[in-house]
Amino acid sequence: DAGVIQSPRHEVTEMGQEVTLRCKPISGHDYLFWYRQTMMRGLELLIYFNNNVPIDDSGMPEDRFSAKMPNASFSTLKIQPSEPRDSAVYFCASSLAETTYEQYFGPGTRLTVT
Amino acid sequence: AQTVTQSQPEMSVQEAETVTLSCTYDTSENNYYLFWYKQPPSRQMILVIRQEAYKQQNATENRFSVNFQKAAKSFSLKISDSQLGDTAMYFCAFTPIYSGAGSYQLTFGKGTKLSVIP
Repeated sequence: DAGVIQSPRHEVTEMGQEVTLRCKPISGHDYLFWYRQTMMRGLELLIYFNNNVPIDDSGMPEDRFSAKMPNASFSTLKIQPSEPRDSAVYFCASSLAETTYEQYFGPGTRLTVT
Repeated sequence: AQTVTQSQPEMSVQEAETVTLSCTYDTSENNYYLFWYKQPPSRQMILVIRQEAYKQQNATENRFSVNFQKAAKSFSLKISDSQLGDTAMYFCAFTPIYSGAGSYQLTFGKGTKLSVIP
């Protein structure tokens, strides 16, 4: 299996622009998680899905952030408008219900907002 | 709310030696999982080892083993015969086991940066 795939690996954008991060989970996995990693706050869970349905989005920082999972093999995290404080590494992870407690991470997207 | 504390921001170890990374956690849950994840410079998060709270036996994976002390809420990682490829950030993580919203969420510590010196 190719593992969790994220794109792009790096994104540089200007403040105010819309940013879309993409994730393809491991085939057959039914849980998908979005995390943000910063030096100050470490790794934070933003939102997670089960069978394409958002279960808990309490970690989403504000209304500028939105996430969708239109099907079992694709999810997006969108920031509109982006701000410099959104600069971070964003990880997507997936897991299988029977082994839910083991999450497999993608390589992350490093976002820089100038 | 659960918290995970890693009190050692940085550590170093000579190649082939043994090193122990510390982790403590706070929870009111009785059933949970604990994990150690490794993040090398490539940034990829890699699961190193997992421990179920209801198992008294400490988990081991090749050169990696844990010392799980449930009463003390302590979960340390021992790396034996350290190798240069072990150089990475190591994160301790916790997830409660129960149904409903809030389950399956990993809470991470701030990490320990381990350097293996040749």
